[in-house]
Amino acid sequence: GENVEQHPSTLSVQEGDSAVIKCTYSDSASNYFPWYKQELGKGPQLIIDIRSNVGEKKDQRIAVTLNKTAKHFSLHITETQPEDSAVYFCAANDYKLSFGAGTTVTVRA
Amino acid sequence: GAGVSQSPSNKVTEKGKDVELRCDPISGHTALYWYRQSLGQGLEFLIYFQGNSAPDKSGLPSDRFSAERTGGSVSTLTIQRTQQEDSAVYLCASSLETGSPYEQYFGPGTRLTVT
Repeated sequence: GENVEQHPSTLSVQEGDSAVIKCTYSDSASNYFPWYKQELGKGPQLIIDIRSNVGEKKDQRIAVTLNKTAKHFSLHITETQPEDSAVYFCAANDYKLSFGAGTTVTVRA
Repeated sequence: GAGVSQSPSNKVTEKGKDVELRCDPISGHTALYWYRQSLGQGLEFLIYFQGNSAPDKSGLPSDRFSAERTGGSVSTLTIQRTQQEDSAVYLCASSLETGSPYEQYFGPGTRLTVT
């Protein structure tokens, strides 16, 4: 099955700085790579996704990049704000998502 | 519009009892998924429904776990003879099966505690 590794496990950034989270996957057949944000006591919220035929996608302050050859993908958050503080998960596969272990992001005011 | 809803939000049960967890998907979403989130195992896939059929049950951890979906809408996850290792947050997600078939939207989860 698919195995997704996510780094770092924790990330502390100053407000206004950028945050980068990296994930690798094992199954070359995976074709869908979503990112979720989870706040305490809530379910994961889909924030952005990328499909295997695209190398990069942006949505305001967040962007994802995908390198299918190297089997890794990354989330970039620019101009971080305190409300960006949460746990972020990457995932891979198609309908049966395999998740990374999560990154706890703390934005310091 | 309304998102995925789950009930109850919290459930405390004694070891050995059966529990039922409910999921109401987003209206019009034909695909429904159950995941489990625990400290030791992270987020794990349990089962996937397309309509009322479950083409993939590979993530169910034992035969104590079962799920059904009726009317192409509401789903129930049943855990029989609960064990302490079943304690976790059970998450439900739904998606459209056409257009963007893999965008899964999650509910708030049911936190299950087995004492």
